[in-house]
Amino acid sequence: SAVISQKPSRDICQRGTSLTIQCQVDSQVTMMFWYRQQPGQSLTLIATANQGSEATYESGFVIDKFPISRPNLTFSTLTVSNMSPEDSSIYLCSVDPIGTGLGGYTFGSGTRLTVV
Amino acid sequence: DAKTTQPPSMDCAEGRAANLPCNHSTISGNEYVYWYRQIHSQGPQYIIHGLKNNETNEMASLIITEDRKSSTLILPHATLRDTAVYYCIVGALGNEKLTFGTGTRLTIIP
Repeated sequence: SAVISQKPSRDICQRGTSLTIQCQVDSQVTMMFWYRQQPGQSLTLIATANQGSEATYESGFVIDKFPISRPNLTFSTLTVSNMSPEDSSIYLCSVDPIGTGLGGYTFGSGTRLTVV
Repeated sequence: DAKTTQPPSMDCAEGRAANLPCNHSTISGNEYVYWYRQIHSQGPQYIIHGLKNNETNEMASLIITEDRKSSTLILPHATLRDTAVYYCIVGALGNEKLTFGTGTRLTIIP
């Protein structure tokens, strides 16, 4: 399985500012996935990032609020823009190491964001 | 993706087998059943998956009914470290998007 390094692990931010979260994988992967987990809730997919193309966003998530970069096959960033307290969540990246959906997806340890 | 239904919480005594049920009555013929778990303050961890045959690995066993409308994840000898939220997910081969339900919060009792 792949190893994911996600940074920062946690942050406290002022409302109206932006935070960029980094996700580094130790192997090349086609797709990288960004999830949000609000307090006490399950995971919700924000978007899918494919190298060399625009990210695909799920319903309820827009590029202006959550811009994503995917400069190469091992790295991606998610920015949470113009933050409000409602953005306080854990943000996780995930990859499918063997690219078939089988064998399991690997998740980062998450970024715990608190907006004050 | 087919939706799944899981009990919101379960308790199990340490050392006993933990049996976690999942209903997926609308599963399609090409959709797999996946199980993940999330220990507090960590990202989800893959456990096991199956299509129609029962599966076993070093972590757990997966029993899928013949009609594929339900399945059971079995942790044979539960330990305190197995306390987590367990997610049952169904998806098609090649579908790389995981849709998480609410899961089952399993608590292992000493």
